[in-house]
Formats: sequence, C-alpha cells, structure tokens
Amino acid sequence: GENVEQHPSTLSVQEGDSAVIKCTYSDSASNYFPWYKQELGKGPQLIIDIRSNVGEKKDQRIAVTLNKTAKHFSLHITETQPEDSAVYFCAASITDGLTFGKGTHLIIQP
Amino acid sequence: GAGVSQSPSNKVTEKGKDVELRCDPISGHTALYWYRQSLGQGLEFLIYFQGNSAPDKSGLPSDRFSAERTGGSVSTLTIQRTQQEDSAVYLCASSVSPGLYEQYFGPGTRLTVT
Repeated sequence: GENVEQHPSTLSVQEGDSAVIKCTYSDSASNYFPWYKQELGKGPQLIIDIRSNVGEKKDQRIAVTLNKTAKHFSLHITETQPEDSAVYFCAASITDGLTFGKGTHLIIQP
Repeated sequence: GAGVSQSPSNKVTEKGKDVELRCDPISGHTALYWYRQSLGQGLEFLIYFQGNSAPDKSGLPSDRFSAERTGGSVSTLTIQRTQQEDSAVYLCASSVSPGLYEQYFGPGTRLTVT
C-alpha cells in the first residue's frame, strides 16, 4: 500500500518568515495530494490540494509543488502569521481513502 | 451550508463494552470515509462507502470494527468488545465523489476506553 513520509515533525519560524513542509510518497499511482490544517480539538481542514497533472498551485500565501518523478510534494507558507500555528498533514490518494503523513507541528514565534 | 457532523463528541466506555459512533455527511456527498487518529499511529484510514456499492473495509484493524451506511447518507461505526488500544479520535469525512475530490472532515468523536 501507499506510504507517506512527512518532515519535519516540528517547525518553528519567526512571524513573517516562510515555512516549508515536505512529503514523499511511495505509490506512483497516487494522483491526488491534499494538505490539511488541524487545530486543537477540531477535525482536519483542507487548505490546498494538487492533482498529478499539475506541478504547482498557489492560493494567496499558500502554495504546493509536486514532483511526480521524485514522488515528493511540498507545502509553502509565506508571510507566516500567528493564526498559521497548527498541525499540518499531507496526504496521498488514488481512488479510495487518504494515506496521511504523521503531521508537522508549525509554531509561529512572535 | 452544514458541514459533516458527528456524535457523540466524547464517549467514555468500559473495556469490553460495545460503542456506536454516528456520522452525518454533507448533503449530496456520495462518498463517506472513517478515519482514526491516535498519538502513536497518526491518521489512519478505516473504511469508505461510495453510494450503494460494497464498502472498502481494507483499513479496519480487526473484526471487532464494522460500519454501516443507511440510505446512502448517515453512517455508524461500531466497535464491539472495546479494548484500551481503541482509545482515539474517530473522524468521519465526506466528498462529492471518491478519488480526486476534496474530503471534508467532521469534528470527530473522542473515544476513551477505561
């Protein structure tokens, strides 16, 4: 089955700086790659996703890049703000349930 | 509109008892998923339903776990003879269709087995 590795497990950045979270996947058939943000006591919230026919996607301060050859994808958050503090999960899927990475705890330092 | 809802939000049960967790998906979403989130294992896929097709049960950890989806809408996840290792947050998600479509998650049910 699919295996998703996510790094780092914890990331601390200064407010206003950029944050990058990286994931790799094992199954070359995976074709959908969402990113979720989870705040304490809440369910994961989809923030951006990318499909295998696209190399990059951007939505305001958030961008995701996908390298299918290398089987890795990354989340980029620019101009980080205190409300960006949360746990972020990457995931990969073919047609059924998502396989998630272990999560990255993003801490925004004031 | 209304998102995915789950009930109860918290459930404490004694080891060996059965529990039922409920999920109400977003109206019109044909695909419904159950996941489990625990400290040691992260977010794990359990089972998914698509319309009236037979569910994909490939992620269920043991035969004590089962799920139903009635009328293509509400779903219940049942855990029989609960064990302490079943303690986790159980999350439900729904999407317009499986595959390349966004999955929207509910707030989860926190299950504690004592």
